[in-house]
Amino acid sequence: NAGVMQNPRHLVRRRGQEARLRCSPMKGHSHVYWYRQLPEEGLKFMVYLQKENIIDESGMPKERFSAEFPKEGPSILRIQQVVRGDSAAYFCASSPNRADTQYFGPGTRLTVL
Amino acid sequence: DAKTTQPNSMESNEEEPVHLPCNHSTISGTDYIHWYRQLPSQGPEYVIHGLTSNVNNRMASLAIAEDRKSSTLILHRATLRDAAVYYCILLIIQGAQKLVFGQGTRLTINP
Repeated sequence: NAGVMQNPRHLVRRRGQEARLRCSPMKGHSHVYWYRQLPEEGLKFMVYLQKENIIDESGMPKERFSAEFPKEGPSILRIQQVVRGDSAAYFCASSPNRADTQYFGPGTRLTVL
Repeated sequence: DAKTTQPNSMESNEEEPVHLPCNHSTISGTDYIHWYRQLPSQGPEYVIHGLTSNVNNRMASLAIAEDRKSSTLILHRATLRDAAVYYCILLIIQGAQKLVFGQGTRLTINP
């Protein structure tokens, strides 16, 4: 059973470009969570999605960030018009049910030049 | 969010047991105690979780105090690969499912 997969593992963007981060949950998992880890800081929750629904987006910045988890395909975290402060490691986690243990992917390291 | 308190850092020697403490004095009856660890440049890795009783798995043991206000993660025989930041997190079963990561304990293993 493959674990949570994220791609790309490393992403470099120039200021003003768009970044798209993809997350494929573990097989049988329909709940996805995105977290961000700024350099030298702990992980911070961003958003929790279940297939086709956003359940909790209380940690998402109000502008430029969006997330989706379509019926088919991976979950996507989209950052529009990136700025240097968006440089961070973005981790995705998945769980089979709402209250179950979350399993994390290897992360996408975004660098904004 | 329910809060946990952990020492910033701990050090141990290879092949010795390690006891990582966590205080969670404001825990409520339905909060699960989860432990994750994060190795350098990797995503957090699930270690163990429990509610009231002590738990064992292939990675570690979790000892939970009778009043549930504290817990201890036990690595029975530390190896160099156990060097990581260990996070103790309360997962509120009725509330939002987000994990709230504190600063964790940075564990150093000496060869």
